[in-house]
Amino acid sequence: QKEVEQDPGPLSVPEGAIVSLNCTYSNSAFQYFMWYRQYSRKGPELLMYTYSSGNKEDGRFTAQVDKSSKYISLFIRDSQPSDSATYLCAIQAGTALIFGKGTTLSVSS
Amino acid sequence: DAGITQSPRHKVTETGTPVTLRCHQTENHRYMYWYRQDPGHGLRLIHYSYGVKDTDKGEVSDGYSVSRSKTEDFLLTLESATSSQTSVYFCAISEVQKTPEAFFGQGTRLTVV
Repeated sequence: QKEVEQDPGPLSVPEGAIVSLNCTYSNSAFQYFMWYRQYSRKGPELLMYTYSSGNKEDGRFTAQVDKSSKYISLFIRDSQPSDSATYLCAIQAGTALIFGKGTTLSVSS
Repeated sequence: DAGITQSPRHKVTETGTPVTLRCHQTENHRYMYWYRQDPGHGLRLIHYSYGVKDTDKGEVSDGYSVSRSKTEDFLLTLESATSSQTSVYFCAISEVQKTPEAFFGQGTRLTVV
């Protein structure tokens, strides 16, 4: 079992929809959970990160961690065409990041 | 944008030839990483460095070597390129002991024919 599992999609939604992106992880010792966004032919950029359990909100984006079920989520409210990108979950393992495979999201206007 | 420059940005090379990719940072971050990104596999760690001359292997290190002779430069070498090493290579930097955030370069698209 890989340490981080992420459904690669693709996921297509209409503009204004609520999007839910999810990952599961295997090691309960992980503490930092991150979401990166990657536009086509660009490097990944950090959207937000959470430490341990709970929620973190930044504008239309909410990151959620459930350590009891080893489940991390990213919610996007009022999705926009500019949100069309690949979203990667990542977990800090020691001194490096372990990434999920990424979910490709397309938001149509 | 974090000051990370990868060179070259694109390269086509023949099987069996040596290839070196360069990552240069202006942020003075201690940690530097090389990842490769492939469809169906996501980002996978090749090697990383935690200081000058201090490096360690990642998940997919076979066929690759690295060197870091200065804080700002991290080189990735494919000693004898194979078609399975066709990929997009990303360099990243971080100060992981202060913040978990890693900053990525723009990537190098390598094709081995």
